[in-house]
Amino acid sequence: EAQVTQNPRYLITVTGKKLTVTCSQNMNHEYMSWYRQDPGLGLRQIYYSMNVEVTDKGDVPEGYKVSRKEKRNFPLILESPSPNQTSLYFCASSRTGLDEQYFGPGTRLTVT
Amino acid sequence: AQSVTQLDSQVPVFEEAPVELRCNYSSSVSVYLFWYVQYPNQGLQLLLKYLSGSTLVKGINGFEAEFNKSQTSFHLRKPSVHISDTAEYFCAVSWIQGAQKLVFGQGTRLTINP
Repeated sequence: EAQVTQNPRYLITVTGKKLTVTCSQNMNHEYMSWYRQDPGLGLRQIYYSMNVEVTDKGDVPEGYKVSRKEKRNFPLILESPSPNQTSLYFCASSRTGLDEQYFGPGTRLTVT
Repeated sequence: AQSVTQLDSQVPVFEEAPVELRCNYSSSVSVYLFWYVQYPNQGLQLLLKYLSGSTLVKGINGFEAEFNKSQTSFHLRKPSVHISDTAEYFCAVSWIQGAQKLVFGQGTRLTINP
């Protein structure tokens, strides 16, 4: 089954404790992206990757890091989380950045 | 700057009534257009898309949308809604000659009342 998986689905952490949210896709897609969803703001892109070892900032990259060492994986790293990063995070993949994107189930992060 | 505007943050309608969710975008250059739906506590799934060709696009669950280049709009419609259509709906646009990315609108929460 074609899918995008994210782990964990729910995470509560404290300010400053480094965390990683994993994302994996099995569709051989070249393009992957991370979004955060906040009420009234829709989805905002954090980082995206057009291929292995190629990443770039989206609209709200501050406080986040990513890496793309393999085509299927695109982890999101928060090295020092802060309460304003409390949000619902989605990973997505597609053939290219212009195409239909396939979304993971989401990760609800709470930073206290 | 490229932007997408969904004019209504919430739309309440009665079951079996028609509905239109509005979406406008900032530029008339070549675009790809998408509508996604997010059911409660789920991720996003594609409802329909416009890449080229006929300006009237049909999607899943009886939804359709019309691309209007002169109005830079891509409004979503359904002639008769069901309780199961309760969800949040997102319009998204990619500009073919711009950055390789989707830009999303703020979302419209559709609530169906019995």
